[in-house]
Amino acid sequence: GENVEQHPSTLSVQEGDSAVIKCTYSDSASNYFPWYKQELGKRPQLIIDIRSNVGEKKDQRIAVTLNKTAKHFSLHITETQPEDSAVYFCAAPQMDSNYQLIWGAGTKLIIKP
Amino acid sequence: DAGVTQSPTHLIKTRGQQVTLRCSPISGHKSVSWYQQVLGQGPQFIFQYYEKEERGRGNFPDRFSARQFPNYSSELNVNALLLGDSALYLCASSLSEWNQPQHFGDGTRLSIL
Repeated sequence: GENVEQHPSTLSVQEGDSAVIKCTYSDSASNYFPWYKQELGKRPQLIIDIRSNVGEKKDQRIAVTLNKTAKHFSLHITETQPEDSAVYFCAAPQMDSNYQLIWGAGTKLIIKP
Repeated sequence: DAGVTQSPTHLIKTRGQQVTLRCSPISGHKSVSWYQQVLGQGPQFIFQYYEKEERGRGNFPDRFSARQFPNYSSELNVNALLLGDSALYLCASSLSEWNQPQHFGDGTRLSIL
């Protein structure tokens, strides 16, 4: 089955700097990779996703890159702002008949003023 | 358009009791997934339903069951509640069953005394 590892568990960056969070997956057949942001006490919110037929996707200050050969995908946040402080989760699908998303353990992003 | 709605928002039960949680998906979405999120951890997949059929089941005991209705709303039932069932229960809806963006509700906070 799929295994997703996420690093780092905590990331502290200065406001205005960039942040990068990386996830690795095990199932080479996986073809859909979402990223979620969860603020304290709130629902996970989908912020960006990528499919395996592209290598990069951008949405304003957020980008995701995918390296299928190495089986890893990364979230990049540029020009970080205080409201970017949250826990970020990556996920990848289990590619058997179970249809479930396997989630990373999460990265707590702290933006220092 | 309304997002995913869940009820109730909070629930307190005692060990051995039974609970039913409810979820209404985004209009047009035919798939509903249920997750359990313990504080400090990522969501753990419980079930996925699509077109009223169970499409996936996570590693949870048989005390957990669910169903999806003709209007695509869903219920999650948990019997014989244990202290360890205390968690945030999240419902997510998506257009279809496979590799589609999942959008979450605010969840039901279940506390077992």
